[in-house]
Amino acid sequence: KAGVTQTPRYLIKTRGQQVTLSCSPISGHRSVSWYQQTPGQGLQFLFEYFSETQRNKGNFPGRFSGRQFSNSRSEMNVSTLELGDSALYLCASSPTVETQYFGPGTRLLVL
Amino acid sequence: DQQVKQNSPSLSVQEGRISILNCDYTNSMFDYFLWYKKYPAEGPTFLISISSIKDKNEDGRFTVFLNKSAKHLSLHIVPSQPGDSAVYFCAASVITGAGSYQLTFGKGTKLSVIP
Repeated sequence: KAGVTQTPRYLIKTRGQQVTLSCSPISGHRSVSWYQQTPGQGLQFLFEYFSETQRNKGNFPGRFSGRQFSNSRSEMNVSTLELGDSALYLCASSPTVETQYFGPGTRLLVL
Repeated sequence: DQQVKQNSPSLSVQEGRISILNCDYTNSMFDYFLWYKKYPAEGPTFLISISSIKDKNEDGRFTVFLNKSAKHLSLHIVPSQPGDSAVYFCAASVITGAGSYQLTFGKGTKLSVIP
């Protein structure tokens, strides 16, 4: 079974731009979660989607948004990029409540 | 406020010996605890989990112990192998009213297994 895939793997943007990241979950997994990893804050929960509905959201500003499609693929969008948004963005898919399987991440650099 | 804490940023262990990684938490509502292993430039890999109703779970060389009264869990790796060298994250899960859940991670412990 193929794992979680994320595209692109690397991205460079400038302040003020917006970015869209994509995640394809493991086949059959309906839950997709997004996390941000930075050296200072570690891994922080962004949001979780299940059957195209956002079920949970972390403490991030409204510039961070996401959606999920009927095939469970998910995208997250960050608008008006700031330098502090530079991070590794990880997507995880899950078949059960207790286990999440992570993709390789998208490394975003904001200049 | 950090709800999940890994107080040791790094740990070095000789090959063949036991590695013990520790994790403390503050939120008594957490109902699942997980350990992940992460190599550079890769996403975290799920290792082992434990429900809050258990005190031990074992999977091969990996054993997780949970002490609810102390709000403490630990991961034991026996015997340690050089390929175990990675950053280990402790995570805790809570189910929300909407049936959703989220993982709260510790900041990780870098394990180095010396041949």
